[in-house]
Amino acid sequence: NAGVTQTPKFRILKIGQSMTLQCAQDMNHNYMYWYRQDPGMGLKLIYYSVGAGITDKGEVPNGYNVSRSTTEDFPLRLELAAPSQTSVYFCASSDTGTGSEKLFFGSGTQLSVL
Amino acid sequence: DQQVKQNSPSLSVQEGRISILNCDYTNSMFDYFLWYKKYPAEGPTFLISISSIKDKNEDGRFTVFLNKSAKHLSLHIVPSQPGDSAVYFCAATENYNQGGKLIFGQGTELSVKP
Repeated sequence: NAGVTQTPKFRILKIGQSMTLQCAQDMNHNYMYWYRQDPGMGLKLIYYSVGAGITDKGEVPNGYNVSRSTTEDFPLRLELAAPSQTSVYFCASSDTGTGSEKLFFGSGTQLSVL
Repeated sequence: DQQVKQNSPSLSVQEGRISILNCDYTNSMFDYFLWYKKYPAEGPTFLISISSIKDKNEDGRFTVFLNKSAKHLSLHIVPSQPGDSAVYFCAATENYNQGGKLIFGQGTELSVKP
């Protein structure tokens, strides 16, 4: 089982460049999430989706955009990359979205903006 | 404003002994708490959770205790094994129906020495 797959694993961007972080899950989960983890900090929610066509902001959405055209895919778009966006990005999914349900995380994308 | 805090960045214990990881929170509206474990270059994986209506939940070697009056929870690992060496994140959610919108602590790196 692939679970949650993120690409790329590593990326270096120059200030002002744009890129899309890809995320795909094969578990037919309705709920998908993007988190970022800064050094020495916990994960912070960027955006989430409760199903295809429905997205909403999390705790730190500025500088990012998302779309959810299919159940499987939830790409995260960075426009005009800034050094503050240097972080490790994790995509996650869950089936029902309830508090007792565990999230399944991808292995992360390490992004550096120089 | 850090709503979930793990004040110990690291913890070292001997194999076979008990590991106790602590977590404090400030938001009295949190109603579900979870622990995730993370190995290097991997995404977090769910470990154990507890509802705010309980004060203890046990799963094999792992037990989570919740003290609502002190806004404190702890994870006990008994006996500790070298394979338990990882970063442990405490997380909380305010709304049971929005379980994926987690607030994470900074993490505690556990090292279990043989």
